Amino acid sequence: DAGVTQSPTHLIKTRGQQVTLRCSPISGHKSVSWYQQVLGQGPQFIFQYYEKEERGRGNFPDRFSARQFPNYSSELNVNALLLGDSALYLCASSGTPGDQPQHFGDGTRLSIL
Amino acid sequence: QKEVEQNSGPLSVPEGAIASLNCTYSDRGSQSFFWYRQYSGKSPELIMSIYSNGDKEDGRFTAQLNKASQYVSLLIRDSQPSDSATYLCAVGLSGGYNKLIFGAGTRLAVHP
Repeated sequence: DAGVTQSPTHLIKTRGQQVTLRCSPISGHKSVSWYQQVLGQGPQFIFQYYEKEERGRGNFPDRFSARQFPNYSSELNVNALLLGDSALYLCASSGTPGDQPQHFGDGTRLSIL
Repeated sequence: QKEVEQNSGPLSVPEGAIASLNCTYSDRGSQSFFWYRQYSGKSPELIMSIYSNGDKEDGRFTAQLNKASQYVSLLIRDSQPSDSATYLCAVGLSGGYNKLIFGAGTRLAVHP
């Protein structure tokens, strides 16, 4: 069975641009969570979506937004990119919002120039 | 105060030794606890989960949980050079959705 898949694997943007990252959950999973991992730190929770609705939000500015589609895939959008947005963006899926444990996809490495 | 704390290391152990990694957390309502291994440039890989006090063993790995002391540990027996990685402790908060709070990780180096 395929695990969580993320695209693209690597992305280079410049300050002020906008970016969209994509995540496909494990088959049968309806909940998707997004995390940001800055170099040298642990992942930080950004969003959780379940059944296309936001179920949780971390301490991130409104420049960060996400949505979930009827097939349960998800997109993370970041506007007005800053140098500090350079990070590994991770997606995890689960059957329901409270399910544990969570397995991560391979991530998208975002570099801001 | 950080919610999940780990010693950043590096923790250096010789091949074949026991590596002991520790983690403390602040939220007494936490119900689930995880250890992830992360190789440089890769995403975190779940290696152990523990939900009740005591020890849980899986192969060379043993997770230990003490909720009264708000303490989680990971023991790696017969450490191998391939175990060299950053180990992330994660705590699942209560509240109906599975937000994980991560520590900054402990870097483990196993030398031949």
